[in-house]
Amino acid sequence: DQQVKQNSPSLSVQEGRISILNCDYTNSMFDYFLWYKKYPAEGPTFLISISSIKDKNEDGRFTVFLNKSAKHLSLHIVPSQPGDSAVYFCAASSPYNNNDMRFGAGTRLTVKP
Amino acid sequence: KAGVTQTPRYLIKTRGQQVTLSCSPISGHRSVSWYQQTPGQGLQFLFEYFSETQRNKGNFPGRFSGRQFSNSRSEMNVSTLELGDSALYLCASSLSREWAVAGELFFGEGSRLTVL
Repeated sequence: DQQVKQNSPSLSVQEGRISILNCDYTNSMFDYFLWYKKYPAEGPTFLISISSIKDKNEDGRFTVFLNKSAKHLSLHIVPSQPGDSAVYFCAASSPYNNNDMRFGAGTRLTVKP
Repeated sequence: KAGVTQTPRYLIKTRGQQVTLSCSPISGHRSVSWYQQTPGQGLQFLFEYFSETQRNKGNFPGRFSGRQFSNSRSEMNVSTLELGDSALYLCASSLSREWAVAGELFFGEGSRLTVL
């Protein structure tokens, strides 16, 4: 059961422009959302998170937006840099299921110099 | 501070065999989760252990099992391997039981299993 979906397997943007990665979820019990970044041959690393009581969280060049009514979140990277090229995973957790974390399939971001 | 360590990093098995993967969490972390990563499927949740108890389990067949030891180290086992079990198996540890407080998982580099 794919409760967290990332419908774009890949995204390519020019250096300096905005990257927007999207994520949809189906379980309305999810109340905490995270983005992870993964480079080849490495494990995923935490990037940014947002609680369901917020609709926006910013950390430097990274901003996550949450639209609870649409069950949709997005990650904005501005400006995009070549070092941002990686696979980005969206994740969600619910306190009603022992907080196990569910991940999307990932979006491969390529930032071209 | 050492990160999450997984062994072995790479292994090749044949159908029908069994495999055991090991994970040492970050010191002080009591929660260990296991994920399977395959192309197009993302990270599929296998199970999570906290203080030697399995608290949660994903939708995988009974061939997939795990355990956690008193020092928080964890192992997962896959019996009667199938070709479709070829994947990257990731272990992650967390400091707290409360995801919303800890906010993140710390992942190891994974064990890449190839089943021939």
